Amino acid sequence: DTGVSQNPRHKITKRGQNVTFRCDPISEHNRLYWYRQTLGQGPEFLTYFQNEAQLEKSRLLSDRFSAERPKGSFSTLEIQRTEQGDSAMYLCASSLGLAEAYNEQFFGPGTRLTVL
Amino acid sequence: AQKVTQAQTEISVVEKEDVTLDCVYETRDTTYYLFWYKQPPSGELVFLIRRNSFDEQNEISGRYSWNFQKSTSSFNFTITASQVVDSAVYFCALSEAEGGGSNYKLTFGKGTLLTVNP
Repeated sequence: DTGVSQNPRHKITKRGQNVTFRCDPISEHNRLYWYRQTLGQGPEFLTYFQNEAQLEKSRLLSDRFSAERPKGSFSTLEIQRTEQGDSAMYLCASSLGLAEAYNEQFFGPGTRLTVL
Repeated sequence: AQKVTQAQTEISVVEKEDVTLDCVYETRDTTYYLFWYKQPPSGELVFLIRRNSFDEQNEISGRYSWNFQKSTSSFNFTITASQVVDSAVYFCALSEAEGGGSNYKLTFGKGTLLTVNP
């Protein structure tokens, strides 16, 4: 399968614990996005990478959140000291970046986080 | 700032009925892109269509059609002869590169839950 993959698909954790999610984009895609989707809402933008550089972070991304994309390949999203309000689906998307042109974003299946 | 409004939270139809999902957007940019995505119960977002702001031609793809009207800032989606497999949440989304950069983040509406009953 050559689509965007995310692991784990589900994560249940206790409040206060740290969690880390992984996203493997489509191999030739150099743009990578993280979104968060809560129940009954559309996905909301969290952060954006072009290659290994994190170029934008949403105000939704508090200090407890950190994302990396070492070597411009896979990306990780870590949440420290989880809170119940962090419970959501975390979606990753990638696109092929050609200069400033728009390119389609392809979404992964998401990681559903439940904080007890 | 960009905004997408999907006023219909839920729609229920009987199979073979036609159904239109509404989408209204707000943006200050002259160059932008509009999308529809389908999210079935499995959760994965499935891309349906993209339109750029300079192309107001309506489009038909099988049972799906899209009506883009810049004058009313609307990008509506019609399913003809709906089927049970069309049951899903449908999202309209808007993308523009803020400041002319490369971040084409998507701004989504809240979605419309479509239920097609047999």
